[in-house]
Amino acid sequence: EPEVTQTPSHQVTQMGQEVILRCVPISNHLYFYWYRQILGQKVEFLVSFYNNEISEKSEIFDDQFSVERPDGSNFTLKIRSTKLEDSAMYFCASSEGVFSGANVLTFGAGSRLTVL
Amino acid sequence: QKEVEQDPGPLSVPEGAIVSLNCTYSNSAFQYFMWYRQYSRKGPELLMYTYSSGNKEDGRFTAQVDKSSKYISLFIRDSQPSDSATYLCAMSARGSARQLTFGSGTQLTVLP
Repeated sequence: EPEVTQTPSHQVTQMGQEVILRCVPISNHLYFYWYRQILGQKVEFLVSFYNNEISEKSEIFDDQFSVERPDGSNFTLKIRSTKLEDSAMYFCASSEGVFSGANVLTFGAGSRLTVL
Repeated sequence: QKEVEQDPGPLSVPEGAIVSLNCTYSNSAFQYFMWYRQYSRKGPELLMYTYSSGNKEDGRFTAQVDKSSKYISLFIRDSQPSDSATYLCAMSARGSARQLTFGSGTQLTVLP
């Protein structure tokens, strides 16, 4: 069964450092997403990406965050200067094309980010 | 009032029991309703997807949506120990259909 692959599974970083989280979405999917889940809290939407640009973003997704699809398979989330409160599980997800009508997001297993 | 409210549990039931999981919401713009299952250290996995009001059945799982009451439910029949997981409701609005708003999740344990 197709799956969304995320790396690394766990990253520990110092406050102020830059972090890049990587994702390989399902190959025929056209929409890509990042969600995050702070320990003990809800899964929260960060950003959606389609046709090489951001289609929606939440208030959480401020200037320290950026997303990129550097090639035909990878989708990355960059956090420029990490803060303690960025510690969370970050989930990548992907879904089918515009006209499918379905909001069937397939999530990866997540990348746990710990900021010290 | 929180946009989506879900009883966090934990909920513990014996094997074979019928499980009822529920969410309420406040945003009347929500049109798409989903239930995800999340095992420990894994990402959410879609269980059920419904559009607008009504019922949908898939094997042992039944999803119900009552938009007039802003209330959604997931029923699990003949629950199994393998159903032990956290169940997340999620919903989205037309025009922003791919931006999901999640509930806090209900932790379910099915005891053998």
